Amino acid sequence: GAGVSQSPRYKVAKRGQDVALRCDPISGHVSLFWYQQALGQGPEFLTYFQNEAQLDKSGLPSDRFFAERPEGSVSTLKIQRTQQEDSAVYLCASSLNQGPSQPQHFGDGTRLSIL
Amino acid sequence: AQTVTQSQPEMSVQEAETVTLSCTYDTSESDYYLFWYKQPPSRQMILVIRQEAYKQQNATENRFSVNFQKAAKSFSLKISDSQLGDAAMYFCAYGGGATNKLIFGTGTLLAVQP
Repeated sequence: GAGVSQSPRYKVAKRGQDVALRCDPISGHVSLFWYQQALGQGPEFLTYFQNEAQLDKSGLPSDRFFAERPEGSVSTLKIQRTQQEDSAVYLCASSLNQGPSQPQHFGDGTRLSIL
Repeated sequence: AQTVTQSQPEMSVQEAETVTLSCTYDTSESDYYLFWYKQPPSRQMILVIRQEAYKQQNATENRFSVNFQKAAKSFSLKISDSQLGDAAMYFCAYGGGATNKLIFGTGTLLAVQP
């Protein structure tokens, strides 16, 4: 079946521009996660949704970062007034149900480069 | 707060040989899960193996097995009969408690020599 799909695969933006990154989770998966992966580092948690509810946004680095999942399926991560330190790979993951026992399935990520 | 440490930035193994990747973690929780993910250059994180902390038996998946030492908070990955396709970045990850998020280590880049 189809896995987690992310678009675009690559995004280049000028500093100060707004960007939107899309995630299509596996159909029927309740939980959705966003992670940020800086070059040469492990992914770091940004935010978590259970259906349409954003239950944890403790990892969002600033109020320039905003995520939504209005219908409990597709999710969008928006970054306003981008800065060079926002350059990273943004990974989306989904899991069937809530809880750490559920394996998370990852997409290929969006590589964001801020010039 | 939970932490995950991978002390080997790079490792190398000959094809068909065995290699062990190290991971230690810190937590005050009693119920949690540990994972090894593989990330090839294509970037997609692929789950290799997982271990439930309450299970004493070490998890195995074909050529991949773990050595889980709960008291020492150690979770190493053993890859047997290494293949060229095993070359990738390997991340150890922790998931547990009230949080659903995964906490990752900094990764180990594994090279497989023909």
